[in-house]
Amino acid sequence: GAVVSQHPSRVICKSGTSVKIECRSLDFQATTMFWYRQFPKQSLMLMATSNEGSKATYEQGVEKDKFLINHASLTLSTLTVTSAHPEDSSFYICSARDSGWGAAGELFFGEGSRLTVL
Amino acid sequence: AQKITQTQPGMFVQEKEAVTLDCTYDTSDPSYGLFWYKQPSSGEMIFLIYQGSYDQQNATEGRYSLNFQKARKSANLVISASQLGDSAMYFCAMTSWMDSSYKLIFGSGTRLLVRP
Repeated sequence: GAVVSQHPSRVICKSGTSVKIECRSLDFQATTMFWYRQFPKQSLMLMATSNEGSKATYEQGVEKDKFLINHASLTLSTLTVTSAHPEDSSFYICSARDSGWGAAGELFFGEGSRLTVL
Repeated sequence: AQKITQTQPGMFVQEKEAVTLDCTYDTSDPSYGLFWYKQPSSGEMIFLIYQGSYDQQNATEGRYSLNFQKARKSANLVISASQLGDSAMYFCAMTSWMDSSYKLIFGSGTRLLVRP
């Protein structure tokens, strides 16, 4: 079964609203989680590294105020797309590594969340 | 900076035949890991195989093998005895173990279609 769960799997919202996507590690602790964005038929682009108890590290070109990331516990990271617009419509995927295994730990991916902004 | 390149946007293979998906990478770090993932139309990311930069032997996992040529900086995925269920997007990815975040960077992907 899935060890990293994302919710919601699909969300449709109106332009201008904010949408929160949750990423949970189900049976392990993850001090670090990663958020990716994938446009149709394209690759996964790393948006940010989510660090438990501290600020996220954003990749170049990703708007920090647009994509708010909170990693308040060892099993939960949230991505909030603020004031969403149609160009934010995409597939968002999170991943997490079991902190107990350090670098050798396998990276687990969530099922992804498809956001459609009308 | 790390870079992953997959030059084959799409590939066809006949069922039961073998296919090689190309991947080249660029990094100045001596310690790194190379990964292959499969993404079916459902969107989930399925881990296939891993190769460490210091591994002496090529990684194998069932029908998947990784042809690791360090000097050429290539890490091609070989799928033997293709099955219809192998039709999917395949992504090569790498992480530098020198970067404390261990973030994973992906290539552009190759769409594989297995013909019956």
